[in-house]
Amino acid sequence: GESVGLHLPTLSVQEGDNSIINCAYSNSASDYFIWYKQESGKGPQFIIDIRSNMDKRQGQRVTVLLNKTVKHLSLQIAATQPGDSAVYFCAENKGAGSYQLTFGKGTKLSVIP
Amino acid sequence: EAQVTQNPRYLITVTGKKLTVTCSQNMNHEYMSWYRQDPGLGLRQIYYSMNVEVTDKGDVPEGYKVSRKEKRNFPLILESPSPNQTSLYFCASSLKGSNQPQHFGDGTRLSIL
Repeated sequence: GESVGLHLPTLSVQEGDNSIINCAYSNSASDYFIWYKQESGKGPQFIIDIRSNMDKRQGQRVTVLLNKTVKHLSLQIAATQPGDSAVYFCAENKGAGSYQLTFGKGTKLSVIP
Repeated sequence: EAQVTQNPRYLITVTGKKLTVTCSQNMNHEYMSWYRQDPGLGLRQIYYSMNVEVTDKGDVPEGYKVSRKEKRNFPLILESPSPNQTSLYFCASSLKGSNQPQHFGDGTRLSIL
């Protein structure tokens, strides 16, 4: 498969446990944040997004938390499954109203069966 | 099925030989964008387009051209490819609006010898 990065931070979790992936962002003007999942040989797949007027948003098995005070974003995956193994990226827009995204370097999640 | 389609998926070519990577989306999205993904550098934006006949430079536009003659297509052109353009390329599209998630194709691996 395609290598999306060398020396990525890695998180290993036991199947069935909860996973928390963290992301620090730098632009205090960003008002839109997204989490993507990238499996080997595939493009980034949208997971969940959140606007800056919220601090929490839930999807199916996933929750995104936004702390604007410390410019921190996290993705929580409940009951992690082997199919969740992938590289996860956070992205932020470049400012209020901007379509352009700045991507984090990614975290590799490995699920231990 | 809603998707972003890139062609070719893989290409090995030589320095200076013009090439085009096609991108097509069937979601009637206004916004389209090209990224390159390199180990340790993450996803970086090359060019983007807000609508037909409207294109703008991203963060790393040097050595690339794009066009947007039709809403569904956004080809990436390398007029005179060089080895430093060896990379994994992704096309993405989204609805109009700064808080719309971008949807990605599965990537094109280019090797310039």
